Amino acid sequence: EIVLTQSPGTLSFSPGERATLSCRATQTVRANYLAWYQHRAGQAPRLLIYGASNRATGIPDRFSGSGSGTDFTLTISRLEPEDFAVYYCQQYGNSPYTFGQGTKLEIK
Amino acid sequence: QLQLQESGPGLVKPSETLSLTCSVSGGSINGSDHFWAWIRQSPEKGLEWIGSIFDSGSAYHSPSLRSRVTLSVDTSKNQFSLRLRSVTAADTAVYYCAKHAASPTFFGFWGQGRLVTVSS
Repeated sequence: EIVLTQSPGTLSFSPGERATLSCRATQTVRANYLAWYQHRAGQAPRLLIYGASNRATGIPDRFSGSGSGTDFTLTISRLEPEDFAVYYCQQYGNSPYTFGQGTKLEIK
Repeated sequence: QLQLQESGPGLVKPSETLSLTCSVSGGSINGSDHFWAWIRQSPEKGLEWIGSIFDSGSAYHSPSLRSRVTLSVDTSKNQFSLRLRSVTAADTAVYYCAKHAASPTFFGFWGQGRLVTVSS
C-alpha cells in the first residue's frame, strides 16, 4: 500500500498570498496518477487536480499541480477567502487507493 | 448536475451491521460506464477507500476491509449500498459515496457524507 505524507499539517497565509502544499509518496506513483481535493467543512470534497497537473472542470487557474514519481505539489497562486480549507492528495495508480492525511490552510 | 446523497442510520451498536445507501440524481447508474465507491473518514485513519462497484454488480474492495464489506447496486432505484459487518468503535466515521471512472480512478463526484457512530 502506498502511503502519502502531506506536510505540514497546517499552513497559515493571508488572502492574496501564494501557497504551496506538499505530498510525498512512499513509492513511485504509477503514471503520476495523483489527485488533489479541496474539502470545506460540511461540504462534499471537490476534485481540483488529476494526473498530477490537470485541472478538473471548473477549477480556477490559480490552482496548479506539479510533480512526478514520489513528490507532488499543489500551488494556489493568489489565495482567495474561499480557498481556506483542507486539501488532500490521493494516489490512484495502485489499489488500494490511498489519501494523504491532509493540509489545512488557515487564515493568518 | 450529478448529485449523490448518503442515507442510513447514524448510530450502530458494536458487532452489528452498518448499512448505508447512496442515492444518485442527475444521472443514471445504469450504463454510466463508471464505478460507484464508498470512502470513509475518521480522525484516526483519515480518508480511507472502502470499495467500488460497477452497475453490473462487479465490485472490488480495500484488502483491509474486504472480509467485512458487501457492496450492492440497485439500478432500478438508481442507488448503491454498503454493508459493513461486525462493526467496532474503530468503524465510527463519516461515510462518503463517490463516483469514478474505470480508469483513471480519481473521485470526480462526492456526496456530502453521513456520520455513523458505533456505540452501545
